[in-house]
Amino acid sequence: GNSVTQMEGPVTLSEEAFLTINCTYTATGYPSLFWYVQYPGEGLQLLLKATKADDKGSNKGFEATYRKETTSFHLEKGSVQVSDSAVYFCALKSDGGFKTIFGAGTRLFVKA
Amino acid sequence: DTGVSQDPRHKITKRGQNVTFRCDPISEHNRLYWYRQTLGQGPEFLTYFQNEAQLEKSRLLSDRFSAERPKGSFSTLEIQRTEQGDSAMYLCASSLVSAGSVNTQYFGPGTRLTVL
Repeated sequence: GNSVTQMEGPVTLSEEAFLTINCTYTATGYPSLFWYVQYPGEGLQLLLKATKADDKGSNKGFEATYRKETTSFHLEKGSVQVSDSAVYFCALKSDGGFKTIFGAGTRLFVKA
Repeated sequence: DTGVSQDPRHKITKRGQNVTFRCDPISEHNRLYWYRQTLGQGPEFLTYFQNEAQLEKSRLLSDRFSAERPKGSFSTLEIQRTEQGDSAMYLCASSLVSAGSVNTQYFGPGTRLTVL
């Protein structure tokens, strides 16, 4: 079945450091890929998405590229801020499917 | 604010009691979803509606759980005879499904249930 695997956390970085959170997926066909962010005590917010191979999703300085050859959708940011501290979820929705399948989440701590 | 809203945000109940949660989706969205999220995990799908029709239910949704969307707008999720294992965050999401759309799901803030 479809699944998402993302790197375990927590990830602890200093402010202005470079961020990478790895995500790989298993799916048939051509799924859409997403990154959601969850701040403490809140629900999930859509951060970015990509719907086909080689698409790059970007938002708020974050970006991720849909790599079908490596079945990956790694999240990157060039310079993190303390306010980026949150849990990040990689997710997929299969083509024509109705539900979103999530990874287990990666907690990010950014120190001032 | 025109996002997905959920009520209540927190619910503490005793084992064996019934609880009901409400979700108001984004107004033009025709699909509504319920997910459950336990500590340290990603959300897991429970059920979804297309307008007022409930089209799919996960095996996670035992017979103590029931969801409705009577007029194709808001939805309720009821848990009868709550158990401690029901303690989780219950998330609602909505999406607009149309020809050629990606069907991106937008989530509400969640209802955190604690069963004592």
